Amino acid sequence: DGGITQSPKYLFRKEGQNVTLSCEQNLNHDAMYWYRQDPGQGLRLIYYSQIVNDFQKGDIAEGYSVSREKKESFPLTVTSAQKNPTAFYLCASRSQGISTDTQYFGPGTRLTVL
Amino acid sequence: GENVEQHPSTLSVQEGDSAVIKCTYSDSASNYFPWYKQELGKGPQLIIDIRSNVGEKKDQRIAVTLNKTAKHFSLHITETQPEDSAVYFCAAAEAGTALIFGKGTTLSVSS
Repeated sequence: DGGITQSPKYLFRKEGQNVTLSCEQNLNHDAMYWYRQDPGQGLRLIYYSQIVNDFQKGDIAEGYSVSREKKESFPLTVTSAQKNPTAFYLCASRSQGISTDTQYFGPGTRLTVL
Repeated sequence: GENVEQHPSTLSVQEGDSAVIKCTYSDSASNYFPWYKQELGKGPQLIIDIRSNVGEKKDQRIAVTLNKTAKHFSLHITETQPEDSAVYFCAAAEAGTALIFGKGTTLSVSS
């Protein structure tokens, strides 16, 4: 069963706490992405990584951090510096071929700050 | 950088009618244009995509058209069914770069 898994599906956090969202893929894709989704805002890019041990900031990286130690894994940490973290977080992966760069999404994690 | 505008933000049709969603993009270097369907509480699923070397692509009731000169592309759904009700997103990117998404269109199909 191939694809992208995200865990947990629902996550609750108290203000001031850091929390890490998991993303794993077994599609052998080089590139992985994190997006944040808010009602009416579409999908906004937080961070992305095109190869292991390398990643770049997206449009809304402040208050977030990532790591890419393995090709299969791209965890996202939401830090206490993120002022409004309640949102739906989506992980995606993509092959890097010129004509085969289809991007697939995981099922998402809904984070709620209490 | 790339900017993608999507219209309309909401669309209501009767079952059996056609639905059209339009997107414009700003970066002439973009050459890959996918469309995603998102159901409530789930991740987006790719439904069709088009590359800049073709002007139209069809898959059963779904078609996408691309006008590179005008920098716009459209999703066409014919013979709509209630299960087509969802949020649809367009996106654009140059090969190998991060996709930039439109803000989405909520499609409602009433029976």
